[in-house]
Amino acid sequence: GAVVSQHPSWVICKSGTSVKIECRSLDFQATTMFWYRQFPKQSLMLMATSNEGSKATYEQGVEKDKFLINHASLTLSTLTVTSAHPEDSSFYICSARPPGERDTEAFFGQGTRLTVV
Amino acid sequence: ILNVEQSPQSLHVQEGDSTNFTCSFPSSNFYALHWYRWETAKSPEALFVMTLNGDEKKKGRISATLNTKEGYSYLYIKGSQPEDSATYLCASSKYSSASKIIFGSGTRLSIRP
Repeated sequence: GAVVSQHPSWVICKSGTSVKIECRSLDFQATTMFWYRQFPKQSLMLMATSNEGSKATYEQGVEKDKFLINHASLTLSTLTVTSAHPEDSSFYICSARPPGERDTEAFFGQGTRLTVV
Repeated sequence: ILNVEQSPQSLHVQEGDSTNFTCSFPSSNFYALHWYRWETAKSPEALFVMTLNGDEKKKGRISATLNTKEGYSYLYIKGSQPEDSATYLCASSKYSSASKIIFGSGTRLSIRP
C-alpha cells in the first residue's frame, strides 16, 4: 500500500516557540493532504485541508495564524504550530489519499505527539 | 445528521463472540464511507471504503454494510479474537475524492480472553 511519513513522531518544546511537523507522501503525489488533531479520549478532529500550490482550508474554530500549513510540493505538507502554549499539547496526524478510484482509502502518517512545557 | 456518529463508544466482548457497531453519516451529497482500525501506537489502517448503496464488503472475519439513502453503516466482527482489540473509526466524505474526510468518535473494542 501507499506510504505516508510524518516527522517527528514526538517533540517537546518550550512555551512560546514554534514547532514544524512534516508530512510526506513517499510513493504517490498528493494534491490534497489532511491534518487532524486528537484530543484526550476523543477521535480525530479535522483541522485543515492542505492544498498544493494554494492556501489551506481551515475548519471552523481553527486559528490559521496559529497553525500554519504549507503544501509546497506534491509530496510534502507542513504544519507549523506557532508560539506554542501548553494547551497546544496534543497528538497531530496527517493523511493523504492517492489519486484513483472513488473507493481509494486514505493513508496516515505515524502521528506527532507534541508536548509544550 | 450533520456529523458522523458512532455507537457504542466502547465495547467489551468475550473472545469468540461476534459483535457489531454502527456509524451514522450525512446522506446528502454522499461520496464515500470509510472504516479504519486504529491500534495503540500505530497509524489508522483502512478496512473498507464503500461507495454504493447496499454494498457489503468482507475481509476475513470482518464485514461491513452500507445504506447511503438513510445514512448508516454497520461493521460486523465474527468470532472476536484478542487481536481485534482496537478503536474502529468510521469516516465520511462528500462530493469528490479531494473532499475532506470527517471521522466519527470511534468505537473502542476490547476482547476478553
